[in-house]
Amino acid sequence: DQQVKQNSPSLSVQEGRISILNCDYTNSMFDYFLWYKKYPAEGPTFLISISSIKDKNEDGRFTVFLNKSAKHLSLHIVPSQPGDSAVYFCAASANNNAGNMLTFGGGTRLMVKP
Amino acid sequence: DTGVSQDPRHKITKRGQNVTFRCDPISEHNRLYWYRQTLGQGPEFLTYFQNEAQLEKSRLLSDRFSAERPKGSFSTLEIQRTEQGDSAMYLCASSRTTENGYTFGSGTRLTVV
Repeated sequence: DQQVKQNSPSLSVQEGRISILNCDYTNSMFDYFLWYKKYPAEGPTFLISISSIKDKNEDGRFTVFLNKSAKHLSLHIVPSQPGDSAVYFCAASANNNAGNMLTFGGGTRLMVKP
Repeated sequence: DTGVSQDPRHKITKRGQNVTFRCDPISEHNRLYWYRQTLGQGPEFLTYFQNEAQLEKSRLLSDRFSAERPKGSFSTLEIQRTEQGDSAMYLCASSRTTENGYTFGSGTRLTVV
């Protein structure tokens, strides 16, 4: 049972345009959400996060939106740059999870074309 | 501090052999995690340590898998009697107790032939 799903395995965007990556979750106990970026042959690197008490968090070109009622979050990258080409994972954790274990989605490969 | 370090980066082993991986976390991080990632999937939780205590183990971690973190510093993950299904990227991560996000290492890619 996949508790975190990224339904688009890949996304292609032109440089300078907006990239929107989507993520859905099923576990209503999740209250903290993160996005990680992964380049080939490297481990995932933390990008941006959001707590369930917020519906938006912005950091430079990256904005994460959370819709708790729909159990949906999205990552917006604007403007997109070729260096953003990577696999993006969303992840979630539950506050009652004392170990802060993360549940990851399957990832979306973003390709930004020059 | 150079981040989370994993060794080796790649390991090819024959089915039935034992393998051991090492992870050196960021020095001030008291939490250490092991995840496994197969092709086309996101990382899956295996186990985690708070200092030297192993506090949680996933059902993915069969009896052939064992992890240790002596003295709360580096950690080792051993797989006994490897099977082809064990082929994956094994990721280590660390964090402070107060943090929600992790810092991942570059992983150890295991290929069982």
